[in-house]
Amino acid sequence: GAVVSQHPSWVICKSGTSVKIECRSLDFQATTMFWYRQFPKQSLMLMATSNEGSKATYEQGVEKDKFLINHASLTLSTLTVTSAHPEDSSFYICSAREGGARNTEAFFGQGTRLTVV
Amino acid sequence: AQSVTQLDSQVPVFEEAPVELRCNYSSSVSVYLFWYVQYPNQGLQLLLKYLSGSTLVKGINGFEAEFNKSQTSFHLRKPSVHISDTAEYFCAVSDQGSSASKIIFGSGTRLSIRP
Repeated sequence: GAVVSQHPSWVICKSGTSVKIECRSLDFQATTMFWYRQFPKQSLMLMATSNEGSKATYEQGVEKDKFLINHASLTLSTLTVTSAHPEDSSFYICSAREGGARNTEAFFGQGTRLTVV
Repeated sequence: AQSVTQLDSQVPVFEEAPVELRCNYSSSVSVYLFWYVQYPNQGLQLLLKYLSGSTLVKGINGFEAEFNKSQTSFHLRKPSVHISDTAEYFCAVSDQGSSASKIIFGSGTRLSIRP
């Protein structure tokens, strides 16, 4: 199956700093990428949907100025958590979907655990 | 808009017993349905998916699910579970529109296997 690589797998940062998380589709072109956030023992909450070359579409309640998403190429999307605070500590997961006839399934990265201290 | 309801937050079963994890969905359009498994501190692995055709879908690790349109359900089953099946299971739905269609997840069911 298709592979999505997410980096880093974990990161610890100081409050007030910014953190960038990368999501790469290794063997397919990801027309669409999704970013999710997961709190402990909870489900995945969709944060935003991004299409290559376009601005991301954010879900209601997600601060677009805090969670900057860039999808500059068909194989890379980044999520930058700006001015991170302890409440931003969470597990972030990306997924990628190919366009066209193969657009049925999205493939998930292994997730990034962010801890803000 | 789509939504997914997983009725059971936790399901404890004994090893080698059968299990069913329930999932109901809501949508005004045709959908794709998925079951994913998540092990601690890891991403999601696809167990199986329903796109069209046969309503009984077989997946990896001996799991299967049946799509029931009249009941808007997509329950996951396994005839005999193993300790290694202990994990969180998520049902998900996506409309059939385009690659940008959102994938919406249920709240998850924690499957715990007792020896």
